[in-house]
Amino acid sequence: DQQVKQNSPSLSVQEGRISILNCDYTNSMFDYFLWYKKYPAEGPTFLISISSIKDKNEDGRFTVFLNKSAKHLSLHIVPSQPGDSAVYFCAATTQGAQKLVFGQGTRLTINP
Amino acid sequence: DTAVSQTPKYLVTQMGNDKSIKCEQNLGHDTMYWYKQDSKKFLKIMFSYNNKELIINETVPNRFSPKSPDKAHLNLHINSLELGDSAVYFCASSTQGNEQFFGPGTRLTVL
Repeated sequence: DQQVKQNSPSLSVQEGRISILNCDYTNSMFDYFLWYKKYPAEGPTFLISISSIKDKNEDGRFTVFLNKSAKHLSLHIVPSQPGDSAVYFCAATTQGAQKLVFGQGTRLTINP
Repeated sequence: DTAVSQTPKYLVTQMGNDKSIKCEQNLGHDTMYWYKQDSKKFLKIMFSYNNKELIINETVPNRFSPKSPDKAHLNLHINSLELGDSAVYFCASSTQGNEQFFGPGTRLTVL
């Protein structure tokens, strides 16, 4: 029973354009969402998060949007850079639960 | 400075052996975790410790035994290794917030 789903295993975007990564969840108890970035042979690194009381959070080139009614969130990267090529994981939790539920990741490739 | 470190990075062993993976964090966090990333790339939590006390055990076989000698260390001992234990194991830590900081992972291969 996969509670967090990233339905696109891969995404290819041209440098300078916008990258949009999507994530869906099924558990309505989730109230905090995170995006992690992972390079090969390294651990995931925290990128950006959003609480369910917001519908948008922005940090530099990265913006996360949350649509609670659709149980959907997305990560926008603009402009995309070659160093953004990595696997991106969406994660969800209930605040205080101290347990993250991850999606299966989307491999983003930025083409020069 | 390494925030969350794991040793070893790679571990190749035979079925039936017992092995340990060590994890240390120098972030001053009070909660530590073990996650398993399987062949399908899903990252799933196994255990969580808060101030050396077990708070999450996600139906992991009892061949897996975490040990936290202090709040900066959380080691994972695995008895009687099976082929299905082959995976990448990640240690993580956090403070009161939800952001968790991950180690580089240990790739375990059971032959």
